Amino acid sequence: GNSVTQMEGPVTLSEEAFLTINCTYTATGYPSLFWYVQYPGEGLQLLLKATKADDKGSNKGFEATYRKETTSFHLEKGSVQVSDSAVYFCALSNAGGTSYGKLTFGQGTILTVHP
Amino acid sequence: GAVVSQHPSRVICKSGTSVKIECRSLDFQATTMFWYRQFPKQSLMLMATSNEGSKATYEQGVEKDKFLINHASLTLSTLTVTSAHPEDSSFYICSAGLLTEAFFGQGTRLTVV
Repeated sequence: GNSVTQMEGPVTLSEEAFLTINCTYTATGYPSLFWYVQYPGEGLQLLLKATKADDKGSNKGFEATYRKETTSFHLEKGSVQVSDSAVYFCALSNAGGTSYGKLTFGQGTILTVHP
Repeated sequence: GAVVSQHPSRVICKSGTSVKIECRSLDFQATTMFWYRQFPKQSLMLMATSNEGSKATYEQGVEKDKFLINHASLTLSTLTVTSAHPEDSSFYICSAGLLTEAFFGQGTRLTVV
């Protein structure tokens, strides 16, 4: 079956520090990979995605590259801000069409950024 | 992007009562929707797949008689937590897929007292 393993947190950084959150996966076929962010008390928001090997997803300064050879999709940001404090989830889907709502999630990584 | 709306966002109910949570796709049709449960400081676990016009498919270990799912139209799925108990307190969130993306509702915080 599918599985996603995320770097354990929590992660605490100072503002403007470099961020890496590791994510590796196990899946059949060619899954799509996602990073979601959840702010306190809210639902999930898509941060970025990649649908095939070597694709790079990027958004709001965050980046992740789909590495099939290492089955990884690590999230990076060069300079974090206090407003980036949230929980980050790596996820995958190898369902198509309307089944794209069906995702397998990693355990989530809590990020706290201090001024 | 597409919008999935979930209601209510928070609900407190007494032990033994039932609670209904609605999930609507506002600007697209969703023949399939998904219900997840999130325990505090943990990941989201898929509970069931809601299929329009047919029975839901439940994940292993999820009690179908406790978590009733109805998907009566192409834009609405409901999750009813029956005879709720404190251990059912959790964050419930729905999703629907469109093209190559999943869209999530805002989530419902259920507290059973």
